[in-house]
Amino acid sequence: DTAVSQTPKYLVTQMGNDKSIKCEQNLGHDTMYWYKQDSKKFLKIMFSYNNKELIINETVPNRFSPKSPDKAHLNLHINSLELGDSAVYFCASSLSRTGELFFGEGSRLTVL
Amino acid sequence: KNQVEQSPQSLIILEGKNCTLQCNYTVSPFSNLRWYKQDTGRGPVSLTIMTFSENTKSNGRYTATLDADTKQSSLHITASQLSDSASYICVVRSNAGKSTFGDGTTLTVKP
Repeated sequence: DTAVSQTPKYLVTQMGNDKSIKCEQNLGHDTMYWYKQDSKKFLKIMFSYNNKELIINETVPNRFSPKSPDKAHLNLHINSLELGDSAVYFCASSLSRTGELFFGEGSRLTVL
Repeated sequence: KNQVEQSPQSLIILEGKNCTLQCNYTVSPFSNLRWYKQDTGRGPVSLTIMTFSENTKSNGRYTATLDADTKQSSLHITASQLSDSASYICVVRSNAGKSTFGDGTTLTVKP
């Protein structure tokens, strides 16, 4: 059983399109995250969502919008895609008490 | 500002050799420090966690150390294997629950 699963694994799309990446965790964790890993392999936090509280990283453009239908899911919707959005996006989850992050396998987004 | 700095940025060693990766941080108040291993094309996986009272902890061939006074940690890899080739990321968590990531060290083990 996959602990943190995200789909799709690969996504190639044109500039200006809107796309979504889905994430699900079956670990019973109370906090979920989205991270962006750029070409230099630096992992940067985008959002964290603990129960009903969404914490937004102020450097993330408002074209990015997370949506959490329940504690086990945190989806990422991106509007008006730009070339600079090309990256690998990682979903992760944790228990707020311990903070150990469990990552998905990543979704590689390529914007042409 | 909370920061985590890792060195070296990249490292190439021969199979069977040992190596040590460094992590310096300014995160305060400190809660814990984790080392993650990220294989190419995969998500990071936790290797070890260090809390304030712990000086050293081993996980197989990986040994992490923590000096809370100087705010430094190291990850020592013994008898390296080809499968150790990966990025190693130091993540420091504050008491407020916020995690700060280092930029990682890319290790390449050559036969």
